[in-house]
Amino acid sequence: EAGVAQSPRYKIIEKRQSVAFWCNPISGHATLYWYQQILGQGPKLLIQFQNNGVVDDSQLPKDRFSAERLKGVDSTLKIQPAKLEDSAVYLCASSSGDYFRAYNEQFFGPGTRLTVL
Amino acid sequence: DQQVKQNSPSLSVQEGRISILNCDYTNSMFDYFLWYKKYPAEGPTFLISISSIKDKNEDGRFTVFLNKSAKHLSLHIVPSQPGDSAVYFCAASQGGKLIFGQGTELSVKP
Repeated sequence: EAGVAQSPRYKIIEKRQSVAFWCNPISGHATLYWYQQILGQGPKLLIQFQNNGVVDDSQLPKDRFSAERLKGVDSTLKIQPAKLEDSAVYLCASSSGDYFRAYNEQFFGPGTRLTVL
Repeated sequence: DQQVKQNSPSLSVQEGRISILNCDYTNSMFDYFLWYKKYPAEGPTFLISISSIKDKNEDGRFTVFLNKSAKHLSLHIVPSQPGDSAVYFCAASQGGKLIFGQGTELSVKP
């Protein structure tokens, strides 16, 4: 079974530029997550999708970050414009469970390392 | 306001000995606790979990202990192997949402 795919793996941009990340979850997984992991910290949830609907985006900085999940499969996360503090690894994860279950095992992709200069 | 804390950023143990990684939390409403393992340039991978109604869960060399009164959980690895060297994240679940600790980097020396 193929895992969660992400691209690009690395991205270097200058501040105020735009950037987009792509994620393809495990086939059949209804739930998709985007996390931000800053160096020395644990992953922090940015947004959670159930199929193609958003169920939690409370920690997404909506003035500059946006995400969509077309047709309930692939997802893109965009930052526009980027700031220095956005330098981090952006992780995508998916799970087969639904939002109301007590516990869903999440499977993570390799992440995209973003450096903002 | 950090709800899940791993206060030791690093731990070094000798091969064959026990590794103990610790995690503290503040929210008594968490219903599951999980440990993830992360190698460089890879995403975290699930290792072991425990329900909040249990106090111990064992899977091979890995055992997780939960002390609800102290709001503390620990991961024991016995015996430790060099391949266990990685960053370990503790995570707590509430309604399916995971909150991660900062991670502890484990180094197992031959």
